[in-house]
Amino acid sequence: QKEVEQDPGPLSVPEGAIVSLNCTYSNSAFQYFMWYRQYSRKGPELLMYTYSSGNKEDGRFTAQVDKSSKYISLFIRDSQPSDSATYLCAMAAPTLGRLYFGRGTQLTVWP
Amino acid sequence: DTGVSQNPRHKITKRGQNVTFRCDPISEHNRLYWYRQTLGQGPEFLTYFQNEAQLEKSRLLSDRFSAERPKGSFSTLEIQRTEQGDSAMYLCASSSRENTEAFFGQGTRLTVV
Repeated sequence: QKEVEQDPGPLSVPEGAIVSLNCTYSNSAFQYFMWYRQYSRKGPELLMYTYSSGNKEDGRFTAQVDKSSKYISLFIRDSQPSDSATYLCAMAAPTLGRLYFGRGTQLTVWP
Repeated sequence: DTGVSQNPRHKITKRGQNVTFRCDPISEHNRLYWYRQTLGQGPEFLTYFQNEAQLEKSRLLSDRFSAERPKGSFSTLEIQRTEQGDSAMYLCASSSRENTEAFFGQGTRLTVV
């Protein structure tokens, strides 16, 4: 079993839809959770960073962490065609130096 | 300083040649990471530094790969005797301390022909 599981999609939604992206993980040591957006042939761009459980909101984006279920989510409200990209979840732990990534979910928002 | 800088952006090389990539992190960041990414996959960990010390190197990495970070500033990643399977996007990221936000550069796309 991989440390971080993420459905690669693809996910296709109409403009204005609410998008839900999810990752599950197996290592209970993870305490830091990140979402990145990656456009084609570009480097990942940090969208959201959260520590431990709870919610964090930034504009149209909301990140949720449920450590009891080892499950994290990213919600995008009022999705726009410019949100079309691959979304990567990443996790880290105090005892582990590296970031652990999911394989990414490809999202297309059509007008 | 506007972010993590990687050079070159693209590199095409013949199989068997050596290549070297450079990463300049955000100036106040003491952690630097190298990842590799192939199409449709998430970034795969290669190695990371805290200041000039290389703290971890992936077991998946062959001896053909080496990374340095002299003086804890920029870093270089060298691949010797390149193979077609080395073709990928090589990503560099930096963070100010462990487990805080890591910011990526735009990557170096390597094509081995």
